[in-house]
Amino acid sequence: DAGVIQSPRHEVTEMGQEVTLRCKPISGHNSLFWYRQTMMRGLELLIYFNNNVPIDDSGMPEDRFSAKMPNASFSTLKIQPSEPRDSAVYFCASSGGQNYGYTFGSGTRLTVV
Amino acid sequence: AQKITQTQPGMFVQEKEAVTLDCTYDTSDPSYGLFWYKQPSSGEMIFLIYQGSYDQQNATEGRYSLNFQKARKSANLVISASQLGDSAMYFCAMREGLADTGNQFYFGTGTSLTVIP
Repeated sequence: DAGVIQSPRHEVTEMGQEVTLRCKPISGHNSLFWYRQTMMRGLELLIYFNNNVPIDDSGMPEDRFSAKMPNASFSTLKIQPSEPRDSAVYFCASSGGQNYGYTFGSGTRLTVV
Repeated sequence: AQKITQTQPGMFVQEKEAVTLDCTYDTSDPSYGLFWYKQPSSGEMIFLIYQGSYDQQNATEGRYSLNFQKARKSANLVISASQLGDSAMYFCAMREGLADTGNQFYFGTGTSLTVIP
């Protein structure tokens, strides 16, 4: 079990650039969640998918953010254009099967300068 | 109303002593699960312990135990024999429903625990 795999671990980009964060959930998990963590706002749920279908995207800050899950083993979170206030740690988590709880990825630390 | 409330932003404990981190929750769903996660300074989120709403006994995992008081809607984490490596942020979380319905987790704001040598 390789766990939830996120890439990249760190990303530094300039304001206005497109950023794509990637997540591979645990095989067999049918739910996938994207969170953002900042000192000011703590952990915020951005969007989550069940069986590759987006269920709740009410946490997505604005139209600059989009997420896709084209298949059960891959999801992306895209920010276009990026802004300095998007700087945060972005976590992906998955759940399903016998694991009722979340398993988190290691996170992507995004810095927008 | 907040689904999960952690009222202790920061806690200190002497090494080898026990410490209790508070968590209260709010739900009208009779079926739910309660979780605690640890986030050390390295940033990863580590699952610690789980309690189901119908579980008769408090959950335990090594030095971690969950003091589940259903009537009071509290799910406090007790860490016995604190170690320096326990210094971290601790998050309480709840998931409504017991089957894996894909419901989201609700997280508290966290408690920062510092273990003093």
